Amino acid sequence: GDSVTQMEGPVTLSEEAFLTINCTYTATGYPSLFWYVQYPGEGLQLLLKATKADDKGSNKGFEATYRKETTSFHLEKGSVQVSDSAVYFCALLPYNNNDMRFGAGTRLTVKP
Amino acid sequence: EAQVTQNPRYLITVTGKKLTVTCSQNMNHEYMSWYRQDPGLGLRQIYYSMNVEVTDKGDVPEGYKVSRKEKRNFPLILESPSPNQTSLYFCASSPGQGDSPLHFGNGTRLTVT
Repeated sequence: GDSVTQMEGPVTLSEEAFLTINCTYTATGYPSLFWYVQYPGEGLQLLLKATKADDKGSNKGFEATYRKETTSFHLEKGSVQVSDSAVYFCALLPYNNNDMRFGAGTRLTVKP
Repeated sequence: EAQVTQNPRYLITVTGKKLTVTCSQNMNHEYMSWYRQDPGLGLRQIYYSMNVEVTDKGDVPEGYKVSRKEKRNFPLILESPSPNQTSLYFCASSPGQGDSPLHFGNGTRLTVT
């Protein structure tokens, strides 16, 4: 079945460092791809999404590009801040149902 | 404000004592779902509902029940909780069409002793 594999954490970076969190997927057809962020004590919030190949989702300085040839949707940010410390989840929504599939989550800690 | 509301936020109970976690959304969403979040396993779907009176099992339905009598409410019922159901639970909803993202509640941390 459809699934998502994302880079295991935890990831610890210094402020202003470059961030990459890898995500690859397995799916039939053309799923939609998402990154969600979970801040401490809260539920998941949509960070960005892409719905077709070569689409780039972006929000709050984060970006991810839907790469069909490598079945990837890696999350990047050029300069992280302490406030970016959270757990990040990659997810896919199959083209033919509402069953959102999530990766295991990657905990990011940014130190001043 | 558009939101998904879960209650309670924290719950400690004992094995075998029936409990219900409530979930309500005010966005008129058709699709609702329950997940549990465990370290290293991400989110796993327990049950979902495509509309009123329509519910289906997710990946880990054993030990749980749900109902969808009204569009806005989707309670999660544990008839006889066990310690392996200690987890962080999230309710989510979406319009259920196209590439709509999920809207999540703030979670319920359940401990079963």
